[in-house]
Amino acid sequence: GAGVSQSPSNKVTEKGKDVELRCDPISGHTALYWYRQSLGQGLEFLIYFQGNSAPDKSGLPSDRFSAERTGGSVSTLTIQRTQQEDSAVYLCASSLDGTGRVGNQPQHFGDGTRLSIL
Amino acid sequence: AQTVTQSQPEMSVQEAETVTLSCTYDTSESNYYLFWYKQPPSRQMILVIRQEAYKQQNATENRFSVNFQKAAKSFSLKISDSQLGDTAMYFCAFMKHYSGNTGKLIFGQGTTLQVKP
Repeated sequence: GAGVSQSPSNKVTEKGKDVELRCDPISGHTALYWYRQSLGQGLEFLIYFQGNSAPDKSGLPSDRFSAERTGGSVSTLTIQRTQQEDSAVYLCASSLDGTGRVGNQPQHFGDGTRLSIL
Repeated sequence: AQTVTQSQPEMSVQEAETVTLSCTYDTSESNYYLFWYKQPPSRQMILVIRQEAYKQQNATENRFSVNFQKAAKSFSLKISDSQLGDTAMYFCAFMKHYSGNTGKLIFGQGTTLQVKP
């Protein structure tokens, strides 16, 4: 079946512009995660959606970052007034359930969006 | 807060040989999950192996196995009979067990593994 799909694959934009990154999770997956991977670094958690519950936004680095998930499926990560330090690969992952109530469900990752801020 | 440390930024191994990647973590939790993910140049993160902390037996997946030392908070990955396709960045990751679990993964900095022909 189809995996996690992210678009665009690459995005180059000027400092100060807003960008939107899209994630289409695996069908039926209720949990969705956004991570950021800076050059040569590990992944940093940004935000987590579980079903219709309020998202866990504890990893968002500033109020310029926001995300939404419409209809419990597709998610959009928005970065306003981009800065050069926002340059990174943004990875999205989904899993059947993130609560642990049905046991640990592995996260499946997309190919990421490489964001470059000039 | 939980932290994950991978102390080997880069490693190399000859094809067909065995290599071990190190990972240590810090947590006050008694039950949790540990993972190894592989990230080839294609960028997609691929789950290699996972371990549940309450299980004593070390997890094994074909050529991949772990040495889980709970008291020492160590979780190393052994790759046997290394193949060229194993060339990738490897990440160790931690997840709390369900108890207000948000399901988020906490990653180490990664180890770049080069398999040489």
